Amino acid sequence: QVQLVESGGGVVQPGRSLRLSCAASGFTFSNYAMHWVRQAPGKGLEWVALKSYDGSSEYYGDSVKGRFTISRDNSKSTLYLQMNSLRPEDTAVYYCARDPSPFGEFPFGWGQGTLVTVSS
Amino acid sequence: QAVLTQPSSLSASPGASASLTCTLRSGINVGTYRIYWYQQKPGSPPHYLLRYNSDSDKQQGSGVPSRFSGSKDASANAGILLISGLQSEDEADYYCMIWHSSAWVFGGGTKLTVL
Repeated sequence: QVQLVESGGGVVQPGRSLRLSCAASGFTFSNYAMHWVRQAPGKGLEWVALKSYDGSSEYYGDSVKGRFTISRDNSKSTLYLQMNSLRPEDTAVYYCARDPSPFGEFPFGWGQGTLVTVSS
Repeated sequence: QAVLTQPSSLSASPGASASLTCTLRSGINVGTYRIYWYQQKPGSPPHYLLRYNSDSDKQQGSGVPSRFSGSKDASANAGILLISGLQSEDEADYYCMIWHSSAWVFGGGTKLTVL
C-alpha cells in the first residue's frame, strides 16, 4: 500500500537549518508531483511547497519563499525539504503528500508528519 | 483579508445535515475555482474528501461516502461541503482549499461537533 514516512524533525535554534525527508513506497514515485504541507500546534493547515514529478517545476508558499527548498531524488523515491533561516513561526508538524498528477493538482495522500520545533 | 474564510466551529445533531461554508475573498470569483475539501481527526493527517467545481466537474475521494457532497453558492461567493445523515464519526476539523496565484491556499478550518 501507499506509504509516506517523514523524518528529520526535531528541535532547532532560530536562524539554523534543518532538512526533512519523506520516503515513499507502494507507488511509482517518479510519476507524481509531491507536496509539503505544515500545521502549527493547534492551528490550521498551511501549504508549503510542491515539486513536479520530474523536478522541472516547483512552487512555494509566500511565508517560506527564499528560505525553504524542495527537492526530490526519484532514484531513491524520496522527497526533501531544506529549511534555512528557521524562525519560531516555522514550528509545526510537516507532512509530505502525494499529488494524483505529475505537475500538481492537489495534496492527495498524506504521511503521518514530522514535528519541527524552532526554539532557543 | 484571508483568501478563504471558514466559520471556526459548527454544531449539529446526529442524523441531521451540516453545511460547511468556505467563503472566497471579495474579488476572487468562486465560479472559476475548483474547491477541495479535507477532513482531519485529532492526531491524524488530513484526509481528502472531494473536489467540487460544478456538477459536471466534481470528484469524490476514494471510499468517501456519498453523504459528503460539494456545491457552490454564487450569491455568497462560497463553496459548500454538505454532510447529510451526520454520524458521531464525522466529528472532525474540515478544511477547504483552492489553487490561487500559483499556490495552494487552505481555509482556516471548521471544527464540526456532532452532539
